[in-house]
Amino acid sequence: DTAVSQTPKYLVTQMGNDKSIKCEQNLGHDTMYWYKQDSKKFLKIMFSYNNKELIINETVPNRFSPKSPDKAHLNLHINSLELGDSAVYFCASSFGLPATNEKLFFGSGTQLSVL
Amino acid sequence: DAKTTQPNSMESNEEEPVHLPCNHSTISGTDYIHWYRQLPSQGPEYVIHGLTSNVNNRMASLAIAEDRKSSTLILHRATLRDAAVYYCILRGLIQGAQKLVFGQGTRLTINP
Repeated sequence: DTAVSQTPKYLVTQMGNDKSIKCEQNLGHDTMYWYKQDSKKFLKIMFSYNNKELIINETVPNRFSPKSPDKAHLNLHINSLELGDSAVYFCASSFGLPATNEKLFFGSGTQLSVL
Repeated sequence: DAKTTQPNSMESNEEEPVHLPCNHSTISGTDYIHWYRQLPSQGPEYVIHGLTSNVNNRMASLAIAEDRKSSTLILHRATLRDAAVYYCILRGLIQGAQKLVFGQGTRLTINP
């Protein structure tokens, strides 16, 4: 069983469209994250939820809206997609609150291409 | 955001040990040193972490300098599957939340 799974793996869409990426973890973790990896391969945190509550919200355009229906799921909805949104998006989870000694488990990524 | 310095790339041979260095001269007393790696087309994978003492696990060893301003990830016997980008990360309190902030990492190439 995949611990952190994301769907879809690839997403190709036109500018201006709205799309969602889903993430589920079966590890029983309380905290989930979204990271973005751009074309230069830098990984940046976008959001983090703990038990369905937002705890980390980086400077991300408000076109990006995370939604956590329960602690095992964290979905990412993107409105009005722009060319610059093209990237690989990674979901991750950790056992407890973000802490200095917590380890993260990552999904395999969703490659988003905006044309 | 990243407070670590790593070589951009390193190369080693299969079945030989690999020592991946990381400098973190501004480390604070409560910062943990984490290592993650990212294999091609995959998400980052946890490797090891430590605070002050050296650490060993099934994947690697982490040697931490006495002053904690540098550390070395040691792969005891590299295989082709260890070819990846290795990230050395300080995990501490940043702006009220503990974040895992990735830097550029070291791209490790393993020669057969």
